[in-house]
Amino acid sequence: ETGVTQSPTHLIKTRGQQVTLRCSSQSGHNTVSWYQQALGQGPQFIFQYYREEENGRGNFPPRFSGLQFPNYSSELNVNALELDDSALYLCASSLAEGRDEQFFGPGTRLTVL
Amino acid sequence: LAKTTQPISMDSYEGQEVNITCSHNNIATNDYITWYQQFPSQGPRFIIQGYKTKVTNEVASLFIPADRKSSTLSLPRVSLSDTAVYYCLVGDISNQGGKLIFGQGTELSVKP
Repeated sequence: ETGVTQSPTHLIKTRGQQVTLRCSSQSGHNTVSWYQQALGQGPQFIFQYYREEENGRGNFPPRFSGLQFPNYSSELNVNALELDDSALYLCASSLAEGRDEQFFGPGTRLTVL
Repeated sequence: LAKTTQPISMDSYEGQEVNITCSHNNIATNDYITWYQQFPSQGPRFIIQGYKTKVTNEVASLFIPADRKSSTLSLPRVSLSDTAVYYCLVGDISNQGGKLIFGQGTELSVKP
């Protein structure tokens, strides 16, 4: 059984550019969530996808968007990058049932210059 | 949503028992208490979850008093590898659109 994987590990972009981050869920999990973690802070929920539909969203603007594919892999897209978007982006997969634990990937470190 | 308060940092020595207390005064009836651990440059990892009284697994114990307004994560005989940030989360994830709500966490430093 493979765990949650994310790519790339690190990424450097400039302000105004667009970025796509990728996540492969843990085997058997049909729900994926994305979190943004600024330095020294706890992760902040961006959104969750269940069976290819957005299932919940945190307080992030529409330029943060996502996709979930039939094989339950997922993408996070961020348009018009801002300096404050520099953070660790974490993907977590889980079963749809409410109280199951979420399994996090190692994250993608995004730096916006 | 219940807000949590936990110490920003704690220091310990190898072999000691570490207790990290989390306050959650406005916890709701359906809320569970969950603890996650995060090492530098890694994603958080689930440690333990409970609703009331005591829960124990191979990693930690979780003590929850009857009023459920606080909880204590107990790590027996810590080692250097337990140095990490520990997050206390309170909520009913089934009613939160799958959202886990993290606070700032407690940075535990274990020294030799």
